Amino acid sequence: GAVVSQHPSRVICKSGTSVKIECRSLDFQATTMFWYRQFPKQSLMLMATSNEGSKATYEQGVEKDKFLINHASLTLSTLTVTSAHPEDSSFYICSARVPRPNSPLHFGNGTRLTVT
Amino acid sequence: SQQGEEDPQALSIQEGENATMNCSYKTSINNLQWYRQNSGRGLVHLILIRSNEREKHSGRLRVTLDTSKKSSSLLITASRAADTASYFCATDAEGAQKLVFGQGTRLTINP
Repeated sequence: GAVVSQHPSRVICKSGTSVKIECRSLDFQATTMFWYRQFPKQSLMLMATSNEGSKATYEQGVEKDKFLINHASLTLSTLTVTSAHPEDSSFYICSARVPRPNSPLHFGNGTRLTVT
Repeated sequence: SQQGEEDPQALSIQEGENATMNCSYKTSINNLQWYRQNSGRGLVHLILIRSNEREKHSGRLRVTLDTSKKSSSLLITASRAADTASYFCATDAEGAQKLVFGQGTRLTINP
């Protein structure tokens, strides 16, 4: 089955530093990947849609300069949280689909970011 | 924006009982999907039902879809402690690239 790998699973950083999260599709090519943020006991909030070879599409209210997305290849998308602050602490999850109609999303295992 | 509304928000039952979760949505869809999330993990796809289907089964899972009411239900039969997780519905809207997730149901199976 399709596998999406996300790294790191946990990261603790100090305020003001930047953190990069990687999302890889291991056995399929993903022209599109999705980045979500999830607060405790809440649903997933779509942050942006990452498009290979072009700019990401950000959801309303998501700061593109704060959350930098790069999708440089068909199997890798990265999310960089720049100048992180404690309020950026959250669970970040990426996902991708096999490019065929009515295909489900395959999710990474998420990254727990804690900003101190 | 989240268009899916799920109920109940939380459900606690005894092992062996059946669990039913409901999902309502607002727009026309290509399909509706159900996902499961264990605490602190990513989501796992459970089942997909297309807009022209009314019912679908997979093992102990049964999903129904009523497009006239814009609603779906997920039934887990003969529940097990390992079914404890959060369950989310997600709609794949016509013309849209992204899925929209519901608020989720936190299911607890008591041994």
